[in-house]
Amino acid sequence: GQQVMQIPQYQHVQEGEDFTTYCNSSTTLSNIQWYKQRPGGHPVFLIQLVKSGEVKKQKRLTFQFGEAKKNSSLHITATQTTDVGTYFCAGPLDSNYQLIWGAGTKLIIKP
Amino acid sequence: NAGVTQTPKFQVLKTGQSMTLQCAQDMNHEYMSWYRQDPGMGLRLIHYSVGAGITDQGEVPNGYNVSRSTTEDFPLRLLSAAPSQTSVYFCASSYGPFSLGYEQYFGPGTRLTVT
Repeated sequence: GQQVMQIPQYQHVQEGEDFTTYCNSSTTLSNIQWYKQRPGGHPVFLIQLVKSGEVKKQKRLTFQFGEAKKNSSLHITATQTTDVGTYFCAGPLDSNYQLIWGAGTKLIIKP
Repeated sequence: NAGVTQTPKFQVLKTGQSMTLQCAQDMNHEYMSWYRQDPGMGLRLIHYSVGAGITDQGEVPNGYNVSRSTTEDFPLRLLSAAPSQTSVYFCASSYGPFSLGYEQYFGPGTRLTVT
């Protein structure tokens, strides 16, 4: 069945270092969505990418959608403590009514 | 707007007990979903609804029932709780289909422990 793989599972960084998470789908996606979940919280929508090769920026966050619309990445420049949490990618199943989720990448800031 | 609300926030059940997790949204969204989240895993879809009176199974429906009598409410019923159902449960809603890029809004979650 359709799968979305996300790596790495965890990433430990020093504050000020960069962070990247990668998402790969087994099938072409019509769009991909990114969510952030703070510790103890619920997922919150960040952004969606629709077009092949699309790049979007939100302050220090850069989101990319691959040319084949099967992979995506989220890059955070100069991480801050407010960036701590788990970042998920999600793409729609062919049925349109379901999202399939990556397992998430947990960003941990080293003390 | 309250958005998506869930009750209770925490619940402890004994094996074999039944209970209903409540979910409500005030955004007039047609699409609603129930997910469970376990450590190290993404969100897994239990059941979803595309409108009042219409529900369907997701990836992990066994042991759970849903109904949708109104646009606002989408309760999740655990029929006979088992320790494997210990998890965090999230309800989410969306204005339209995901293929058209509509995002999901999540409730705060219910943390369920089954002993």
